[in-house]
Amino acid sequence: IAGITQAPTSQILAAGRRMTLRCTQDMRHNAMYWYRQDLGLGLRLIHYSNTAGTTGKGEVPDGYSVSRANTDDFPLTLASAVPSQTSVYFCASSDSTSGSNEQFFGPGTRLTVL
Amino acid sequence: GQSLEQPSEVTAVEGAIVQINCTYQTSGFYGLSWYQQHDGGAPTFLSYNALDGLEEKGRFSSFLSRSDSYGYLLLQELQMKDSASYFCAVRDGSARQLTFGSGTQLTVLP
Repeated sequence: IAGITQAPTSQILAAGRRMTLRCTQDMRHNAMYWYRQDLGLGLRLIHYSNTAGTTGKGEVPDGYSVSRANTDDFPLTLASAVPSQTSVYFCASSDSTSGSNEQFFGPGTRLTVL
Repeated sequence: GQSLEQPSEVTAVEGAIVQINCTYQTSGFYGLSWYQQHDGGAPTFLSYNALDGLEEKGRFSSFLSRSDSYGYLLLQELQMKDSASYFCAVRDGSARQLTFGSGTQLTVLP
């Protein structure tokens, strides 16, 4: 693994189903983030984690949950998917010791909820 | 809360110079970042300004004026591969979360 990986690449999901999007990084970054990107709205932060064992809510957290059991993994769960959660989801990570505040993004998961 | 404004679209020709502006309103401010995203791809980091002034990185430069809550990304010697969306983002707290603008779609014409 090099950088950040996300799985699945894409998914079509029936409304009401539970879904977990996976995110793994091998850069030992302490901070990780989940964003959703909708056309014309840019990237919006769903949840974040500044270090393993802690999580926080972003701008649009409703309907989503996260966990951070270890440094490398940061899964995002939709407990009961709704059509408005159709979006492209990006996971990102950053090194809090970096002065540039650079975030490294995964390739994204395209989710369609019908 | 935070809000950022940037133009939705910019068009320029190959070899030209283009400037993408970004104005922001935040309750606190730690820095302004720029990211590039090609269609269907992941955003990639371009620059970060925490202090006023111009930061130059090859063909790309970024400027910040904290007193004006304003910054811009300057792209010189435009190439076709520069056609992409460009996002400004503010870090408004020590926790390092970013708030992104809606993005500027840059089209480079031959």
